[in-house]
Amino acid sequence: GAVVSQHPSRVICKSGTSVKIECRSLDFQATTMFWYRQFPKQSLMLMATSNEGSKATYEQGVEKDKFLINHASLTLSTLTVTSAHPEDSSFYICSAQWGGSPGETQYFGPGTRLLVL
Amino acid sequence: GENVEQHPSTLSVQEGDSAVIKCTYSDSASNYFPWYKQELGKGPQLIIDIRSNVGEKKDQRIAVTLNKTAKHFSLHITETQPEDSAVYFCAASINDMRFGAGTRLTVKP
Repeated sequence: GAVVSQHPSRVICKSGTSVKIECRSLDFQATTMFWYRQFPKQSLMLMATSNEGSKATYEQGVEKDKFLINHASLTLSTLTVTSAHPEDSSFYICSAQWGGSPGETQYFGPGTRLLVL
Repeated sequence: GENVEQHPSTLSVQEGDSAVIKCTYSDSASNYFPWYKQELGKGPQLIIDIRSNVGEKKDQRIAVTLNKTAKHFSLHITETQPEDSAVYFCAASINDMRFGAGTRLTVKP
């Protein structure tokens, strides 16, 4: 299957700072990338969908000014958590999809665990 | 929007037994149904998927069945092994993917 990487795998930061998470598709070009958040023992919650070269589409309740998403190339998307607070602590997972059509397979990255002190 | 329900939330089986996890979806237009396995601290891994034009798909010990009329699909794992222990998520996709709440499977040696 396709390989998606995330960096960093784990990050601890102080409250008020910004954190950038990278998501890369290593062996295919990802037209669409998705960002999810997962709290302990819960399911994956879609935060936003990003298509290469265009603005991300955010899910209801997700602040676009707080969670900045950039999808500048077909192999890289970044999520920046701005002015992070303890309640932003979570497991952030990206996924990448080859095509832009509904029903394409999503391949997930290994996740990034964010802890905000 | 699409709503996916998954049962059971936890499942414990003896090694060698079969495990079945069931999901229902609400939007009859959904056409793609993947299953993911997530181990602790890792991202979900695709283990099998099925599209709406197929009723059943099998890959070694894993099979998925789809009943479009009833809007439900199931994951079947036969001859379970301890390494099958993980959280399994079903999902249904039309425009974007919606996940079930997950099933924590424990396979006892």
